[in-house]
Amino acid sequence: DTGVSQDPRHKITKRGQNVTFRCDPISEHNRLYWYRQTLGQGPEFLTYFQNEAQLEKSRLLSDRFSAERPKGSFSTLEIQRTEQGDSAMYLCASSPTGVNTGELFFGEGSRLTVL
Amino acid sequence: ELKVEQNPLFLSMQEGKNYTIYCNYSTTSDRLYWYRQDPGKSLESLFVLLSNGAVKQEGRLMASLDTKARLSTLHITAAVHDLSATYFCAPTYAGSNYKLTFGKGTLLTVNP
Repeated sequence: DTGVSQDPRHKITKRGQNVTFRCDPISEHNRLYWYRQTLGQGPEFLTYFQNEAQLEKSRLLSDRFSAERPKGSFSTLEIQRTEQGDSAMYLCASSPTGVNTGELFFGEGSRLTVL
Repeated sequence: ELKVEQNPLFLSMQEGKNYTIYCNYSTTSDRLYWYRQDPGKSLESLFVLLSNGAVKQEGRLMASLDTKARLSTLHITAAVHDLSATYFCAPTYAGSNYKLTFGKGTLLTVNP
């Protein structure tokens, strides 16, 4: 399977714990995005990487959130000191640059439940 | 800031009927995506519309884009139960790093 892969698919944690999600984009896709989706809402943009550079961060990304893409391949999204309001589906998407086909692919998502 | 408005937010229709979902957005966009989402699942790409006047069709779904009116439509022809899902539109543009701004989605229920 060469689609966008996310891990873990489900995570249940207690308030105050740290969690980390991983995204493996489609090979050779330079652009990588993280989104968050809560129940009944559309996904909201969190952050964007082009290769290893984090080029944009949403105001939604508080200081407790950090994202990396150290080698321009996989990316991680860490949430420190989780709060119940962090419960959501975290979606990763990737697309190539330099090809104007508009292709943008989402992974299956990582669902976080904070108790 | 790009704002997206979809309507209707909820749509209940009978099998065999036709209907259109509308997507209005607030600022210039040079491409627009339509996605389908089943409950508890991720987003499945339906269409990407890359230019004014673009029209794409796949099965019973047809999407169009009018960049001058800042409007996209998703037309459903002869609906079937399998089309029941939430549909999202998401415009974007180069100056935004092509990040997507999603509408609230349209929850479509097709009844037998």
